[in-house]
Amino acid sequence: SAVISQKPSRDICQRGTSLTIQCQVDSQVTMMFWYRQQPGQSLTLIATANQGSEATYESGFVIDKFPISRPNLTFSTLTVSNMSPEDSSIYLCSVATGSHEKLFFGSGTQLSVL
Amino acid sequence: DQQVKQNSPSLSVQEGRISILNCDYTNSMFDYFLWYKKYPAEGPTFLISISSIKDKNEDGRFTVFLNKSAKHLSLHIVPSQPGDSAVYFCAARNTASKLTFGTGTRLQVTL
Repeated sequence: SAVISQKPSRDICQRGTSLTIQCQVDSQVTMMFWYRQQPGQSLTLIATANQGSEATYESGFVIDKFPISRPNLTFSTLTVSNMSPEDSSIYLCSVATGSHEKLFFGSGTQLSVL
Repeated sequence: DQQVKQNSPSLSVQEGRISILNCDYTNSMFDYFLWYKKYPAEGPTFLISISSIKDKNEDGRFTVFLNKSAKHLSLHIVPSQPGDSAVYFCAARNTASKLTFGTGTRLQVTL
C-alpha cells in the first residue's frame, strides 16, 4: 500500500483565480493519477501524471485548464486554472503500486468556487 | 456514456442482515473489477476485487460475485455492521490501471 498526503484538504476560491493541489506519496510509485468527483457524480479521471514528461489527459480535460507537474516519483501537483463555479468538486490524487491492479487514493481536496 | 452503472443511489439495511450492492457494466473489454468504500471527507479505500476469469471472491464479511454473461457484479456484506455505513463505488478496468467508476451507492446500516 501507499500513504498519500494531499493538501489543501479544502478551499473556497473566487472565480477567475487558480488553485494548486499537492500530492505527496511516502514511496516511489510509477503511476500517479488525478481524479475529479463532481457533486452526485462518479469519479472521473482527469489525467495521468507522468514523471519527467507532460501529463496524459483524458477526453474533455486540457492542459491549459488543469496543468500538472510531476518532478519525481513521489510528488505531483494539479492546478485548477481560471476557476468557475462549475469547477467546484472533490479532486483526488491516486497512485498505482505493485501489480497496478489497485489504486490508492489521497483524502481529496474539496474545492468550492464562488 | 456511463459504462459502469450503480442504479441504486442508496440502501438501508439493519445491523446483522445482508447488504447487497449491485453494479452493471456495458464494456465487455473490462477484465478486472473493484469495490471501493468512501467515508465523508476521506478518499476511497480499496475493499475487494475480482478478475474476469472468476465468478466469486470472498474476503471475510465481503464477497463479490461476477456474472459476465449479464455484465453484472454484486457486493455482499454479511453480517452488516454500523461501521459499514459509507458510499460504495464499483469500478472496472480495461487498460493498465485506468479505472471507470460507477456513481456510488450510499449504504446506511441501522441499529
